[in-house]
Amino acid sequence: DAGVIQSPRHEVTEMGQEVTLRCKPISGHNSLFWYRQTMMRGLELLIYFNNNVPIDDSGMPEDRFSAKMPNASFSTLKIQPSEPRDSAVYFCASSLALRGGEQYFGPGTRLTVT
Amino acid sequence: GENVEQHPSTLSVQEGDSAVIKCTYSDSASNYFPWYKQELGKGPQLIIDIRSNVGEKKDQRIAVTLNKTAKHFSLHITETQPEDSAVYFCAAANDYKLSFGAGTTVTVRA
Repeated sequence: DAGVIQSPRHEVTEMGQEVTLRCKPISGHNSLFWYRQTMMRGLELLIYFNNNVPIDDSGMPEDRFSAKMPNASFSTLKIQPSEPRDSAVYFCASSLALRGGEQYFGPGTRLTVT
Repeated sequence: GENVEQHPSTLSVQEGDSAVIKCTYSDSASNYFPWYKQELGKGPQLIIDIRSNVGEKKDQRIAVTLNKTAKHFSLHITETQPEDSAVYFCAAANDYKLSFGAGTTVTVRA
């Protein structure tokens, strides 16, 4: 039974470049979350989708960040242009329930922007 | 918004001893309290959770207690083993949004 799948696992890019992170949620889950983890700020929710529709993007830090979910099995988080302060581990999580449901995390993408 | 505080930030225990991690939350509307374990280089793994209509829940060596009146909940790990070494996060949620504590780094000494 495959869990949440994320790619790439590691990404190193130069400031100003576009970065695209990918996520495949657990099959049958209808909620998808993007988180960012840093030492300074811990785990932060960036955006939440339910049934492929963005419900809450209040955690997206700036217009440089955008996320899409074109279908139930795929989501992307894009940063354009990237900046060194975007360096972090980005996690995708999925859940079966709309409210108060268990969220299952992927292995994360470690992003380094030089 | 919800504010979750977690203590201690680091915990070192002898193998076989118990470990206890405590969290407090601020939003009385929060009704779901999961605990996650994160090993180096991996994503957080859900290990146990509790809902506001339950005071205690146990799963083998892991137990969680919830005191809604005092707005605090705790994770108890008994008979610790080296593989319990990891960072543990508590979280609180009302609806879909999880607010995480800062984490506790647990080291089990052999």
